[in-house]
Amino acid sequence: GAGVSQTPSNKVTEKGKYVELRCDPISGHTALYWYRQSLGQGPEFLIYFQGTGAADDSGLPNDRFFAVRPEGSVSTLKIQRTERGDSAVYLCASSLGSNQPQHFGDGTRLSIL
Amino acid sequence: KQEVTQIPAALSVPEGENLVLNCSFTDSAIYNLQWFRQDPGKGLTSLLLIQSSQREQTSGRLNASLDKSSGRSTLYIAASQPGDSATYLCAVRGHNTDKLIFGTGTRLQVFP
Repeated sequence: GAGVSQTPSNKVTEKGKYVELRCDPISGHTALYWYRQSLGQGPEFLIYFQGTGAADDSGLPNDRFFAVRPEGSVSTLKIQRTERGDSAVYLCASSLGSNQPQHFGDGTRLSIL
Repeated sequence: KQEVTQIPAALSVPEGENLVLNCSFTDSAIYNLQWFRQDPGKGLTSLLLIQSSQREQTSGRLNASLDKSSGRSTLYIAASQPGDSATYLCAVRGHNTDKLIFGTGTRLQVFP
């Protein structure tokens, strides 16, 4: 597709469950970013990849959160032992490289019951 | 630690008005500043990106200015339209990092 694609668009699960959120970046974009947006707030940085490697994971809140990008394209954000406080919209963005505009997907709305 | 603030938090105006949205940041050592638009339930659409060496950028009815030394940016929207209704977010990027630090946004409503 032409833009950043995120699946699923909505995810509802119970506290304690494991979830995976997927991001398909724009073709040819080497940089990929994950952000989390709580209601009424701006997005908060989680992690970004340059190619296959995590260039900066300083925004991951704790070790329940993990992200991979094994082939330098699609990325998966993984959350273990989910908690109600993890409920938010998880946004993915990609860019051609450093200092290039970031293009965002529509996000995955995660609700933990 | 960089903090970004946007004022006002919400704004409701009649169609046709010229608007100014404000963004301030605490650490002036930024690499660039970007303005985004977010429609309900959607992701962010990039509107304008200003490099730290630039003073302003224009696109159509939008004009963004940057005063790095005072830690301020403004987004000017000329002749507002109902289709401009959305949340507007500003974000700064520091040196030696690609992550963006966002403000909490200004929710704009333009009524006919």
